[in-house]
Amino acid sequence: GNSVTQMEGPVTLSEEAFLTINCTYTATGYPSLFWYVQYPGEGLQLLLKATKADDKGSNKGFEATYRKETTSFHLEKGSVQVSDSAVYFCALSNSGYSTLTFGKGTMLLVSP
Amino acid sequence: DTAVSQTPKYLVTQMGNDKSIKCEQNLGHDTMYWYKQDSKKFLKIMFSYNNKELIINETVPNRFSPKSPDKAHLNLHINSLELGDSAVYFCASSQDPGTGGDTQYFGPGTRLTVL
Repeated sequence: GNSVTQMEGPVTLSEEAFLTINCTYTATGYPSLFWYVQYPGEGLQLLLKATKADDKGSNKGFEATYRKETTSFHLEKGSVQVSDSAVYFCALSNSGYSTLTFGKGTMLLVSP
Repeated sequence: DTAVSQTPKYLVTQMGNDKSIKCEQNLGHDTMYWYKQDSKKFLKIMFSYNNKELIINETVPNRFSPKSPDKAHLNLHINSLELGDSAVYFCASSQDPGTGGDTQYFGPGTRLTVL
């Protein structure tokens, strides 16, 4: 079956630090990969996605590259802000009915 | 002009009661979903509907019954509530269920607390 493994949090950084949140997956076929973000008290929002190997998704300074050879989709940002504090979820979906399989989420805390 | 809305936002109730959560999307999407987020923030799919028809049921107890009166609405009815049902329930929608790369749009969530 499908599964997603994310690094455990919380990740605590100072403003302007470099961020990496690791994500690896197990899936049959060629899944699409996503990063969703959940700000406190809110629902999930799509941050970025990639639908095939070597694609790079990017949004709001965040980037992730779909690496089929390492089955990974690590999230990076060069300089985090306090407003980036949230829970980040890596997820995948296979062709079929697009239900998302989520990782357990990684909380990011950015201090000024 | 909320894309995916849920009501209520908070729901506190006693064990054994029956309750419903409503979800509406104004995006014109064909597919809607219910996810459950537990106290450790883990998210798991419960149901998926496409054009009012159930297409995914992920071994959810039959106390949970989704109903889709039209493709813009997907409600969740829960009978005989148990303590373990306490969670945040998220509704989501997407345009196309078939490709696997489609973005899902999430509602704000309903926090259910069973006492």
